[in-house]
Amino acid sequence: AQSVAQPEDQVNVAEGNPLTVKCTYSVSGNPYLFWYVQYPNRGLQFLLKYITGDNLVKGSYGFEAEFNKSQTSFHLKKPSALVSDSALYFCAVRDPRDDKIIFGKGTRLHILP
Amino acid sequence: NAGVTQTPKFQVLKTGQSMTLQCAQDMNHNSMYWYRQDPGMGLRLIYYSASEGTTDKGEVPNGYNVSRLNKREFSLRLESAAPSQTSVYFCASSARPGATEAFFGQGTRLTVV
Repeated sequence: AQSVAQPEDQVNVAEGNPLTVKCTYSVSGNPYLFWYVQYPNRGLQFLLKYITGDNLVKGSYGFEAEFNKSQTSFHLKKPSALVSDSALYFCAVRDPRDDKIIFGKGTRLHILP
Repeated sequence: NAGVTQTPKFQVLKTGQSMTLQCAQDMNHNSMYWYRQDPGMGLRLIYYSASEGTTDKGEVPNGYNVSRLNKREFSLRLESAAPSQTSVYFCASSARPGATEAFFGQGTRLTVV
């Protein structure tokens, strides 16, 4: 069965600094990987996805993520953090063999002014 | 365009009462999902439906039932609510199995007293 781990409950970054939110996964075969963001009292919004091809994928709001097959990781990154990036971030994995989408526990990102 | 619509947005139940959470999508998606979100637990998959007429258990199906009424609608039923089912429930849909991301509703905040 597939699973996702987000090892950090919270990440604090100063505004203007680069940020990384970590995600590792476990799934048989080649995974489909996703990042979502949740703002307070809102549903989840899609940020980016990895399906195949280039290991660095770019998404919304200047975010990007790096897929590393040997480390089974899919870390979310941004070169320069904004205060408005403060939110709850979820990593998700979809097994291509079925239709389940499994999420991690989420990482709360605080960008400090 | 409405996307994924959940009703109700808020609900308070007494222990032992039953209720049905409604979800409808207008994007002609094949796949639909129900998740619950609890602090520190992330999003956990309750049930999902890969297509009209099919449903499958997710990570935490106990105490819930679902119905894929047609392609648009996917309902979640609590037959005898328990305080442990206090949570925020999200419905999501996706275009097909595989590479596409899921789109989320705004959530239903359920309190069982």
